[in-house]
Amino acid sequence: EAGVTQFPSHSVIEKGQTVTLRCDPISGHDNLYWYRRVMGKEIKFLLHFVKESKQDESGMPNNRFLAERTGGTYSTLKVQPAELEDSGVYFCASSPILGHGLYGYTFGSGTRLTVV
Amino acid sequence: AQRVTQPEKLLSVFKGAPVELKCNYSYSGSPELFWYVQYSRQRLQLLLRHISRESIKGFTADLNKGETSFHLKKPFAQEEDSAMYYCALSVDNFNKFYFGSGTKLNVKP
Repeated sequence: EAGVTQFPSHSVIEKGQTVTLRCDPISGHDNLYWYRRVMGKEIKFLLHFVKESKQDESGMPNNRFLAERTGGTYSTLKVQPAELEDSGVYFCASSPILGHGLYGYTFGSGTRLTVV
Repeated sequence: AQRVTQPEKLLSVFKGAPVELKCNYSYSGSPELFWYVQYSRQRLQLLLRHISRESIKGFTADLNKGETSFHLKKPFAQEEDSAMYYCALSVDNFNKFYFGSGTKLNVKP
């Protein structure tokens, strides 16, 4: 089965520009998670979708970040306008059912975002 | 508030030496702890879980509630163990994880 796919793998943008990250979860996985790791810091939870609904978006840093999952398939994470502190690696993960994190998420390979 | 601390950013050991990667947590509830690993050019993946008390690739981790720790240990490190290791605390019935900042393990030949 195909894994969790993220693209782009790398993105370099200027401060003030807009960037959209995409995550394709494993087919059939209702749960989709976004995390990010700012350089040298911990990996932080951003939000959790169950199908197309936001189950928990408590980790979204501010209103410059917009996550969507129309149709409950792939998800996008848009940053507009990007700031220097948004640089980091954005991870996506998926799981088939709620609570399946017990068995470990399936992570994507991440998108490295650099804002200059 | 929930927090996971990994005090060492980098740990270098020689092949065959014992290794211990430290992890401390802060959580008022009953903790569920995990270790994730990211090998070079690979994805983040689960290494082991406290709940199953397993040994994976020779690694073990014991939850010490008194010291609020979940240190990862291996008696004899191998070069292929070189990777980034993240300790993680699960809350909300395994639907949210708090990760530490990671420890890069470098096993020298």
